[in-house]
Amino acid sequence: QVQLVQSGAEVKKPGASVKVSCKASGYTFTSYAIHWVRQAPGHRLEWMGWINTGNGNTKSSQNFQGRVTITRDTSATTAYMELSSLRSEDTAVYYCAKNGDGDLHYWGQGTLVTVSS
Amino acid sequence: SSELTQDPAVSVALGQTVRITCQGDSLRNYYATWFQQKPGQAPVLVVYGKNNRPSGIPDRFSGSNSGNTASLTITGAQAEDEADYYCHSRDSSGNHYVFGTGTQVTVL
Repeated sequence: QVQLVQSGAEVKKPGASVKVSCKASGYTFTSYAIHWVRQAPGHRLEWMGWINTGNGNTKSSQNFQGRVTITRDTSATTAYMELSSLRSEDTAVYYCAKNGDGDLHYWGQGTLVTVSS
Repeated sequence: SSELTQDPAVSVALGQTVRITCQGDSLRNYYATWFQQKPGQAPVLVVYGKNNRPSGIPDRFSGSNSGNTASLTITGAQAEDEADYYCHSRDSSGNHYVFGTGTQVTVL
């Protein structure tokens, strides 16, 4: 069965970077794009970007002004999302997701990133 | 505009029907996808495409589209349908995606 397993919670100081991983299994990794979505406490879902796991091409939301980098390691069937220049407003649960029958059919369990001095 | 706008909250009596709407310019060209999210949980896909449901989603959930508006209808709402619902689609460029503002559904 399809599984997306994310790395554990992180606590970071303002200005630092965080890298969240998303280990995929149960399907052909390079056949489906992986998206990254975040949700700040009490706020709506926010799409961050996606990666074509086949060729490595990425698209990221302009809302992050170049602070987000999405990569993948096909041999490890793992996607990564790195967010730099962290600020308190980046405190959120970060999710990876992949398409299936529809967009974003399968989701990881989420990774809480807390930015605090 | 790349925004998708939803009503913040709606309520429905148990067993009755509720419609949740999502408005945005990009919906003239792209279908909306609908997600249900309960507190502390990851979102769950409930409707996608013209009007499709993944396996395991009850048939009381249905989707429709007209012009710049997408709708999710719950026919015969159940207590377990109480949740936040988000629409999602590509933006006008087609290269990026955007979520709606979200609708909190209360089942009375």
